[in-house]
Amino acid sequence: DSGVTQTPKHLITATGQRVTLRCSPRSGDLSVYWYQQSLDQGLQFLIQYYNGEERAKGNILERFSAQQFPDLHSELNLSSLELGDSALYFCASSPRDYPIETQYFGPGTRLLVL
Amino acid sequence: AQSVAQPEDQVNVAEGNPLTVKCTYSVSGNPYLFWYVQYPNRGLQFLLKYITGDNLVKGSYGFEAEFNKSQTSFHLKKPSALVSDSALYFCAVRSISGNTGKLIFGQGTTLQVKP
Repeated sequence: DSGVTQTPKHLITATGQRVTLRCSPRSGDLSVYWYQQSLDQGLQFLIQYYNGEERAKGNILERFSAQQFPDLHSELNLSSLELGDSALYFCASSPRDYPIETQYFGPGTRLLVL
Repeated sequence: AQSVAQPEDQVNVAEGNPLTVKCTYSVSGNPYLFWYVQYPNRGLQFLLKYITGDNLVKGSYGFEAEFNKSQTSFHLKKPSALVSDSALYFCAVRSISGNTGKLIFGQGTTLQVKP
């Protein structure tokens, strides 16, 4: 158990809908990262937050957004969902934002868009 | 651009034999390299990392990795494989361009250990 929690574990929804994925980092970690894992794209970095502020953006679609709250939990919002958004979404956390730090991953949320 | 390559989609090894999962990288500057393992329907578990110093890094569950700067490689190894080691293994490099902390992952290698 990494100490990173994600809810829900599974999510089934329809095209055009909007969903929210939630992540609680390890106790004391200030950085939260979101990744998408799909069969065709592999593991892709989406976005990073550090202590409530956006720190870096990766291959995140405009239909997707995220935020980190004062209690440091983070939410990833996916809207106007398409079939191709079906994937496993991981959250990871680290103490600060130093390159040498290990990122610890949560169990993921499996999203299925029908 | 920074990248990671795992040239083998799958590695098959008999239980008790040594295993190697290959990884090569391309970075500008000092590489920070990581190995993660993913079991079915589970998240990624951290195995080990190379930051600096000794080229042989020891990690969890008896795994180790050898950093080779001249060959830009960071191969994962284990002297004696277990059936329970069967999983999906990812090599990753930490991006330091633009002060971003993102991990760049290889495509993953499925390790199959047969009894």
